[in-house]
Amino acid sequence: GAVVSQHPSRVICKSGTSVKIECRSLDFQATTMFWYRQFPKQSLMLMATSNEGSKATYEQGVEKDKFLINHASLTLSTLTVTSAHPEDSSFYICSARDRMGTNEKLFFGSGTQLSVL
Amino acid sequence: DAKTTQPPSMDCAEGRAANLPCNHSTISGNEYVYWYRQIHSQGPQYIIHGLKNNETNEMASLIITEDRKSSTLILPHATLRDTAVYYCIVRSTGFQKLVFGTGTRLLVSP
Repeated sequence: GAVVSQHPSRVICKSGTSVKIECRSLDFQATTMFWYRQFPKQSLMLMATSNEGSKATYEQGVEKDKFLINHASLTLSTLTVTSAHPEDSSFYICSARDRMGTNEKLFFGSGTQLSVL
Repeated sequence: DAKTTQPPSMDCAEGRAANLPCNHSTISGNEYVYWYRQIHSQGPQYIIHGLKNNETNEMASLIITEDRKSSTLILPHATLRDTAVYYCIVRSTGFQKLVFGTGTRLLVSP
């Protein structure tokens, strides 16, 4: 099946620094990628939709200047958490839509555990 | 998108069938039923999806009632590795995003 690679799997950073998370579709082209965050024992919350070559669409309540999303190619989207604070500590997950697939499935990365000290 | 309702948790003995129900009484004609699962600290994994006919693949079977207001995911022979949170989601084709509910936490025990 299709593979989505997410990197890093775990990152610890100091408060005030920025962290970049990469999401790559390894064997398919993804015109659309999605970014989620998940707090312990809670469900996934959609943060934004990333479209290749255009600006991301953010869900209500998600600060676009805080969570910068870049989708510069059909296989790569990045999420940058700027000026990270302890409350940004969370599990971040990306997913990608196979534009050639007929079944409209989403494939997910393995997630990034961000801890801000 | 139609809302789904799932029990918060279920238990299953290893080797037995796990039947996970999902209620989607407001589903519309063009909406599919999708099932994903999430094993602890990993990204969700696609299991199966269907529109109105029952579906089966190497992982599971999906039974959709005739009125499409509910469905059941069946894991025929549950193993310990099937312990996970299972999400039932309804969405139309050409969807742009997948919205997760609270899911069912399935615990498979020896």
